[in-house]
Amino acid sequence: KQEVTQIPAALSVPEGENLVLNCSFTDSAIYNLQWFRQDPGKGLTSLLLIQSSQREQTSGRLNASLDKSSGRSTLYIAASQPGDSATYLCAVRADTGFQKLVFGTGTRLLVSP
Amino acid sequence: DGGITQSPKYLFRKEGQNVTLSCEQNLNHDAMYWYRQDPGQGLRLIYYSQIVNDFQKGDIAEGYSVSREKKESFPLTVTSAQKNPTAFYLCASRQGNVLTFGAGSRLTVL
Repeated sequence: KQEVTQIPAALSVPEGENLVLNCSFTDSAIYNLQWFRQDPGKGLTSLLLIQSSQREQTSGRLNASLDKSSGRSTLYIAASQPGDSATYLCAVRADTGFQKLVFGTGTRLLVSP
Repeated sequence: DGGITQSPKYLFRKEGQNVTLSCEQNLNHDAMYWYRQDPGQGLRLIYYSQIVNDFQKGDIAEGYSVSREKKESFPLTVTSAQKNPTAFYLCASRQGNVLTFGAGSRLTVL
């Protein structure tokens, strides 16, 4: 059974810092991995999607990497801003059968001005 | 604008009552999902539907029921059989790799 873990559970940084969020998964047979952002009391917004054949994806100040063989992904946020404060979740999709996503527990990020 | 609308945003239920959470999408997506989110836990799949008039149980379907009579609508009923229903419920729809979430409904059992 696929399990997804995110470390750290919470992170507090001053504005302007570069930071890395980690996601690990137990079964490397994945189709893709997604990073989502969730603001308090709101739904999820997709940030980046990495296909299993890809090593990384970039969008603005965000860069996500994927090492399928070791079961790890990282989300790098450059020059963090207070508006980046949110919970970040990663989710993996299996490469067979129904397209179910297995979610991690999330990292709660606080960027202080 | 296209999107997913969940209602109500907040709902209070007495023990023993059934309640229904609404999920409507105008994205013309075929697949729809219901997830439950508890503090400190990831999202867990309750039910999903890949096409109208068809739906499947997810990982935690006990105490819940759904219907998919229209492509746009996928309501979730939380029945009295669900022993711990207080949670944040998220509806999503998907086309290809694009997964779109609603804003969620928070259910509290009094």
